[in-house]
Amino acid sequence: VQLVESGGGLVQPGGSLRLSCAASGFTFSSYWMSWVRQAPGKGLEWVANIKQDGSEIYYVDSVRGRFTISRDNAKNSLYLQMNSLRAEDTAIYYCARGQALAYWGQGTLVTVSS
Amino acid sequence: DIQMTQSPSSLSASVGDRVTITCRASQGISNSLAWFQQKPGKAPKSLIYAASSLQSGVPSKFSGSGSGTDFTLTISSLQPEDFATYYCQQYNSYPFTFGQGTKLEIK
Repeated sequence: VQLVESGGGLVQPGGSLRLSCAASGFTFSSYWMSWVRQAPGKGLEWVANIKQDGSEIYYVDSVRGRFTISRDNAKNSLYLQMNSLRAEDTAIYYCARGQALAYWGQGTLVTVSS
Repeated sequence: DIQMTQSPSSLSASVGDRVTITCRASQGISNSLAWFQQKPGKAPKSLIYAASSLQSGVPSKFSGSGSGTDFTLTISSLQPEDFATYYCQQYNSYPFTFGQGTKLEIK
């Protein structure tokens, strides 16, 4: 199982960023997929997840309406579109497999700063 | 939201010791609880799911127990590589939530 995130970087407040997670080593279309973040020096925060076929999606309140999780099973890829970014969204963003987060990627750093 | 409270927040122990970390949920979550280990600068690693099931490849020195609101992670015979931060997470109700973490340090 391998999960590789990309797309992080420095963005100004109010800006947008799209994260990607490339999955391999398992049947991607058979699993829920999740995003989890960790602000610098802080604990873990679950952000969102999406069912195998995309028919169910859930978000933490702090990102609902600003972030959109999606997936492309043909490309074995998970995405997180982040709009209206705030300083408090600064974190390492991890993708993880399943609802119990059995496997994690290495993370991608998102920094929101002017 | 379900609040997850870990205790202690930090713990000093010696190589060879057996330690127990507790995680309490603010409401019942059945057995929908996972435990993770995180070392500095690394991604979290899954240890336990469904409260007591060992993740593939994780040594049996790690064990989990509990159901409802009270859960424990026990690590036996501590080795230097076990010193890390440990998190619990509930996946019974949305939004999923984590405990604040327990930092296990070498005495």
